[in-house]
Amino acid sequence: DTAVSQTPKYLVTQMGNDKSIKCEQNLGHDTMYWYKQDSKKFLKIMFSYNNKELIINETVPNRFSPKSPDKAHLNLHINSLELGDSAVYFCASSQGGEQPQHFGDGTRLSIL
Amino acid sequence: AQSVTQLGSHVSVSEGALVLLRCNYSSSVPPYLFWYVQYPNQGLQLLLKYTSAATLVKGINGFEAEFKKSETSFHLTKPSAHMSDAAEYFCAVSERDTGRRALTFGSGTRLQVQP
Repeated sequence: DTAVSQTPKYLVTQMGNDKSIKCEQNLGHDTMYWYKQDSKKFLKIMFSYNNKELIINETVPNRFSPKSPDKAHLNLHINSLELGDSAVYFCASSQGGEQPQHFGDGTRLSIL
Repeated sequence: AQSVTQLGSHVSVSEGALVLLRCNYSSSVPPYLFWYVQYPNQGLQLLLKYTSAATLVKGINGFEAEFKKSETSFHLTKPSAHMSDAAEYFCAVSERDTGRRALTFGSGTRLQVQP
């Protein structure tokens, strides 16, 4: 059973389009995250939800909107996609601050 | 704000040689510390973590790391490199005693293992 699963794995689309990435975890964790990994492999937190409540919202353009329908799901919707949005987006989950985060396999977003 | 520095964006070793990947953090309170490995086109896999128990932490695949508060370091080592160790390695921290929980990552170190 996959612990943290993201769909789709690859997303190729044109500038200006709107797209969503879905994430589900079956670990029973109370906190979920979205990270962005850029072309230089640098990883940066975007959002964090704890029990469906947004607790971290880094300086991310408001074209990005996370939604957590329940504790096991965290989706990411992106409006008006731009070239600079091309990256790999990782979903993760954890239970508590000292417990390690479990990562999905990532969604590689390419903007044409 | 805390930060993580990984010295050496690329490290190359021979198969069977010692692996040493360096990580230093900046935080007035020792954070939780983690090492993750990323293989090509995959997610991040936890190698090991330091929370507050023993300062020498053993992880998977023969890796270990030592927490040194005086040096604000958490270097990753493996006595004998294997070809399958070739990957990207990330050191990460999360704040202790806050509700923040998000990881702050270092810039990563690519490990190459030569035959």
